[in-house]
Amino acid sequence: DAGVIQSPRHEVTEMGQEVTLRCKPISGHNSLFWYRQTMMRGLELLIYFNNNVPIDDSGMPEDRFSAKMPNASFSTLKIQPSEPRDSAVYFCASSFGEPGTDTQYFGPGTRLTVL
Amino acid sequence: AQSVTQPDIHITVSEGASLELRCNYSYGATPYLFWYVQSPGQGLQLLLKYFSGDTLVQGIKGFEAEFKRSQSSFNLRKPSVHWSDAAEYFCALYNFNKFYFGSGTKLNVKP
Repeated sequence: DAGVIQSPRHEVTEMGQEVTLRCKPISGHNSLFWYRQTMMRGLELLIYFNNNVPIDDSGMPEDRFSAKMPNASFSTLKIQPSEPRDSAVYFCASSFGEPGTDTQYFGPGTRLTVL
Repeated sequence: AQSVTQPDIHITVSEGASLELRCNYSYGATPYLFWYVQSPGQGLQLLLKYFSGDTLVQGIKGFEAEFKRSQSSFNLRKPSVHWSDAAEYFCALYNFNKFYFGSGTKLNVKP
């Protein structure tokens, strides 16, 4: 299995631009998680889906952030407009079964730099 | 409110020495508890998890953790640390559809 696939691996953009991060979960997994990691704030869960439905989005920072999961094999995290404080590593993870109890498998992350 | 606290930001141990990383949680009942490890430039990997039953949980890479309800703790231990264990370790809690992560402990291993 290829594992969780994230693209792009690195993204550099200018303030005000739209940024779209992509994630392909492991085939057969039914839960998908988006995390953000920074030195200042550590690891934060932004949102997670179960069977393509958002379950908890309380970690989404503000209206500039949106996440979608149109089908079981694809999810996007969009930032519009982007700001320098959004610079971070964004991880996607997926799991099979109960979202809270089954093992999450993490992707390699997307390093976002907003200038 | 639920929370997870990892009181040690950095820990340095010598290779071959024993290790204990602390994790305290705030929650009224027994939550689901996890330990993850993150190597530099990598995503997180699950080491072990506790839901109920035996309070001593065995994980991968020779790690174990003990759930102590009276102390609201879930400390991670390893009897003999290897240089490859140098990484950042996160304790996490899940309850009622919400996840809570500690701030992480960075482990440095001296030769």
